[in-house]
Amino acid sequence: AQKITQTQPGMFVQEKEAVTLDCTYDTSDPSYGLFWYKQPSSGEMIFLIYQGSYDQQNATEGRYSLNFQKARKSANLVISASQLGDSAMYFCAMRERISQGGSEKLVFGKGTKLTVNP
Amino acid sequence: NAGVTQTPKFRVLKTGQSMTLLCAQDMNHEYMYWYRQDPGMGLRLIHYSVGEGTTAKGEVPDGYNVSRLKKQNFLLGLESAAPSQTSVYFCASSYSSSQPQHFGDGTRLSIL
Repeated sequence: AQKITQTQPGMFVQEKEAVTLDCTYDTSDPSYGLFWYKQPSSGEMIFLIYQGSYDQQNATEGRYSLNFQKARKSANLVISASQLGDSAMYFCAMRERISQGGSEKLVFGKGTKLTVNP
Repeated sequence: NAGVTQTPKFRVLKTGQSMTLLCAQDMNHEYMYWYRQDPGMGLRLIHYSVGEGTTAKGEVPDGYNVSRLKKQNFLLGLESAAPSQTSVYFCASSYSSSQPQHFGDGTRLSIL
């Protein structure tokens, strides 16, 4: 079963508008974390924002915010005031425990390709 | 600030050849990871290490071996390359397993 689901293969947004990229997750572990990464066409993976399962408030980093709805198991990324440079693939990932020893790994969704139109 | 450096950036191999991908980080991170990224898919974990001298299998470890002889280096080896291993390989490191992972720029590997 897929643990991270990104249902939008592609999204389009006009420059200066806000856009929401969807991410739902599946876990039975009460302690987990959710990350969003940006991958521009140049290929590098850039960390954007993190939300821990016990965090009381939704995470924000500049123009990025995370709409965390724990009961719905969703962690949507909101980008405000889109810029042309925001055009990229966006990946949602969940921190998942690997072993009893506490090691953890990231499980990635398949990504959403965002295109910002001028 | 080098961060995570992967070498080489590109490589073409013939089926059956062997090679080693090198990952080096200068952030004194304990945790290091190797992922592969295939078209239409997110990253999948191959192997990881929680500290110098330790390695463990991830989701897709078959056909790969790793070593972490020094804290700053994490090597990924392909003993006998197969076309199915054509992919983009990313190395990442983090201070702890709950901290964000910092990625290298990737290695594009083609196996003919």
